[in-house]
Amino acid sequence: DTAVSQTPKYLVTQMGNDKSIKCEQNLGHDTMYWYKQDSKKFLKIMFSYNNKELIINETVPNRFSPKSPDKAHLNLHINSLELGDSAVYFCASSQAQANQPQHFGDGTRLSIL
Amino acid sequence: GENVEQHPSTLSVQEGDSAVIKCTYSDSASNYFPWYKQELGKRPQLIIDIRSNVGEKKDQRIAVTLNKTAKHFSLHITETQPEDSAVYFCAADPGSGGGADGLTFGKGTHLIIQP
Repeated sequence: DTAVSQTPKYLVTQMGNDKSIKCEQNLGHDTMYWYKQDSKKFLKIMFSYNNKELIINETVPNRFSPKSPDKAHLNLHINSLELGDSAVYFCASSQAQANQPQHFGDGTRLSIL
Repeated sequence: GENVEQHPSTLSVQEGDSAVIKCTYSDSASNYFPWYKQELGKRPQLIIDIRSNVGEKKDQRIAVTLNKTAKHFSLHITETQPEDSAVYFCAADPGSGGGADGLTFGKGTHLIIQP
């Protein structure tokens, strides 16, 4: 049973397109996150949601719009894709209290042609 | 905001030897420090974490130490094995929001275990 699952695993698309990545967790966590890992393996927080409410938006272009229909799901929609958006996007989740471990999904590798 | 520095970027050790990876952080309010292991093409996996009220924590061959005064923490792996080869990331949680804080990661250490 995968605790944090993301779809799709791979996404290859052209510049200017709009795409979505879905994330679901079955751990009963209240908090979910999106991270971006670039070609140099650097991991950076993009968004966090607590019980469907946006908590953190870390200077991410507004072409990126997260949506949380319920606390078990956090989707990421990206408009007008650019070459620099090529990366691996990881979803993660944790309990709502401070200093709790974050559990990562398997990642979505986004490649922009 | 928080800034985490990690060294070295690459570490090569002989199988059976010990490996040490060091991190420093800038925000004195940070109070949770996890370490993640990432194998090629896989997700980051939590291997050990430490909270600011503890100076050291051990789990079999892995240990983490924290010096809050100096704002640095380290990962120690003893009796290294080939399966320890991976990229290791340290991270700091600013702990400012009572939860839902994003982690600030170091840039990673590529650990290579030589047979």
